[in-house]
Amino acid sequence: EAGVVQSPRYKIIEKKQPVAFWCNPISGHNTLYWYRQNLGQGPELLIRYENEEAVDDSQLPKDRFSAERLKGVDSTLKIQPAELGDSAVYLCASSLSDGEYYEQYFGPGTRLTVT
Amino acid sequence: GNSVTQMEGPVTLSEEAFLTINCTYTATGYPSLFWYVQYPGEGLQLLLKATKADDKGSNKGFEATYRKETTSFHLEKGSVQVSDSAVYFCASYGNNRLAFGKGNQVVVIP
Repeated sequence: EAGVVQSPRYKIIEKKQPVAFWCNPISGHNTLYWYRQNLGQGPELLIRYENEEAVDDSQLPKDRFSAERLKGVDSTLKIQPAELGDSAVYLCASSLSDGEYYEQYFGPGTRLTVT
Repeated sequence: GNSVTQMEGPVTLSEEAFLTINCTYTATGYPSLFWYVQYPGEGLQLLLKATKADDKGSNKGFEATYRKETTSFHLEKGSVQVSDSAVYFCASYGNNRLAFGKGNQVVVIP
């Protein structure tokens, strides 16, 4: 069974440029998460989707970050414009359901460097 | 909200040594607790979990016991191998969110 797929694995951009990350969750997983992991820290939730609906986006910096999950499968996270402080690893995870905890399966992440 | 605190700093030890990584949690109520592991170049993987007080999670020789009285969930392994070198994260689940600790890098030397 394929795991969570993310692309690109690495991205280097200059500040003020836009960037987008893509995630393909495990087939059949209706819950999808985006996390940000700063260097030397644990992951922090940015947004959680239940199917197409963003049910928890309270920690998403909405002035520059946006996300979508069309058709309740793949998801894209976008930053526009990027700032130096956005340098981090962006992780995508998926699970069967979030009503009661089900194991979250993580992708390998996208390492973003903003120069 | 819920949060976890892991001991500071990387852990370096020799093969077959005993490993302990400390984790304490703060939460309203009794959250489910987890240890995740991140091997080099790979995504986070669930290592073990415990959902209520006194539960012991175990996997791959690792163990952790949910201690309500000390609000702790320390990870232990009796005899580590070089292949256990990774970053280990403690996490708690509450209010539909996983809260992670900062992680501890473990380096096992042959």
